[in-house]
Amino acid sequence: EPEVTQTPSHQVTQMGQEVILHCVPISNHLYFYWYRQILGQKVEFLVSFYNNEISEKSEIFDDQFSVERPDGSNFTLKIRSTKLEDSAMYFCASSDKNSNQPQHFGDGTRLSIL
Amino acid sequence: QKEVEQNSGPLSVPEGAIASLNCTYSDRGSQSFFWYRQYSGKSPELIMSIYSNGDKEDGRFTAQLNKASQYVSLLIRDSQPSDSATYLCAVSHTGNQFYFGTGTSLTVIP
Repeated sequence: EPEVTQTPSHQVTQMGQEVILHCVPISNHLYFYWYRQILGQKVEFLVSFYNNEISEKSEIFDDQFSVERPDGSNFTLKIRSTKLEDSAMYFCASSDKNSNQPQHFGDGTRLSIL
Repeated sequence: QKEVEQNSGPLSVPEGAIASLNCTYSDRGSQSFFWYRQYSGKSPELIMSIYSNGDKEDGRFTAQLNKASQYVSLLIRDSQPSDSATYLCAVSHTGNQFYFGTGTSLTVIP
């Protein structure tokens, strides 16, 4: 069964450094998403992306965050200047049709900010 | 503010019993509803989607939706120890983002 693939599985970064999280969505999917889950808390939406542009973003997704689809397969989340509170599990998800369709999640990247 | 509420549990049921998980949502315009299962330290895994009022069955799982009451539930029949996980309710309005509840922790006791 096709999967969403995320790398790395665990990223440790010094506070203030930039970090890029990588995702390869399911190949025929057109809609891409990033979510985060702080330990013990709920899954929170960050951003959705379609047709090479952001379609929705939450208030969490401020100027330190950006997303990019640099080629036909990868979808990245960049955090420019990391803070301690950015420590969380970051999930990439994708879906094949328009909104309201099931989203399929990758295994996540655990980001630890020191 | 679009809220999705779930009883955090923990909910414990004996093996073979029916587990009932509940979710309420605040946005009356919500159109799509999903149940995900999340094992500790893992990603959410889709179990069921439901879009219209009534029941939808898939194997041992039944999702129930009542839009008038803004309520969605998941029943797990013949519960197995492998069903022990956190169950997440997710709701979508007309946009792309899902709003997740905090999840209900289910333990199935052998």
